Amino acid sequence: QKEVEQDPGPLSVPEGAIVSLNCTYSNSAFQYFMWYRQYSRKGPELLMYTYSSGNKEDGRFTAQVDKSSKYISLFIRDSQPSDSATYLCAMSARDSSYKLIFGSGTRLLVRP
Amino acid sequence: SAVISQKPSRDICQRGTSLTIQCQVDSQVTMMFWYRQQPGQSLTLIATANQGSEATYESGFVIDKFPISRPNLTFSTLTVSNMSPEDSSIYLCSVEPGHPYGYTFGSGTRLTVV
Repeated sequence: QKEVEQDPGPLSVPEGAIVSLNCTYSNSAFQYFMWYRQYSRKGPELLMYTYSSGNKEDGRFTAQVDKSSKYISLFIRDSQPSDSATYLCAMSARDSSYKLIFGSGTRLLVRP
Repeated sequence: SAVISQKPSRDICQRGTSLTIQCQVDSQVTMMFWYRQQPGQSLTLIATANQGSEATYESGFVIDKFPISRPNLTFSTLTVSNMSPEDSSIYLCSVEPGHPYGYTFGSGTRLTVV
């Protein structure tokens, strides 16, 4: 079993839709949770990070962490074609020297 | 956040040869990380490079295959040695800007071994 599971998609939605991206994990020691966006032929770009449980909002993006369920989500409101990319969740724990463990990524396509 | 320049951006190499990838950061950072992203796969950490010490390799990666240099606080290289088609991947460097989160990545090197 992988430490972090993420549905690879692809996920195809119409422009303006609300997108929900999710990851589950098995290591209860994870404390820091991140979402990266990766465009084709580019490196991952940090979108959101949260510490422990709770919600964080930044513009059209909302990150949620539910540590009791070992489940994290990224919501994108009013999705745009420019949001079409691969979204990677990542997480780390202090007792593993904050080494990032990534999900496999979800491909998102927002149709105009 | 730190800005990372990584080169080459892509290369096609013959099997049995070696390729050195360079990573330049616009600020001094303690730790630099090298990742591999195989086609359709997640990012996998190869090694952590601290200036002035030997790199620390993750399970499944060895120094003879992936030697790393870290001559100063803004630069690192990763060499992929004696390449085979299985080494065809995207290789990425990353830096940690003083926090346990918010890692910044370079744009990657897309390597194809033929």
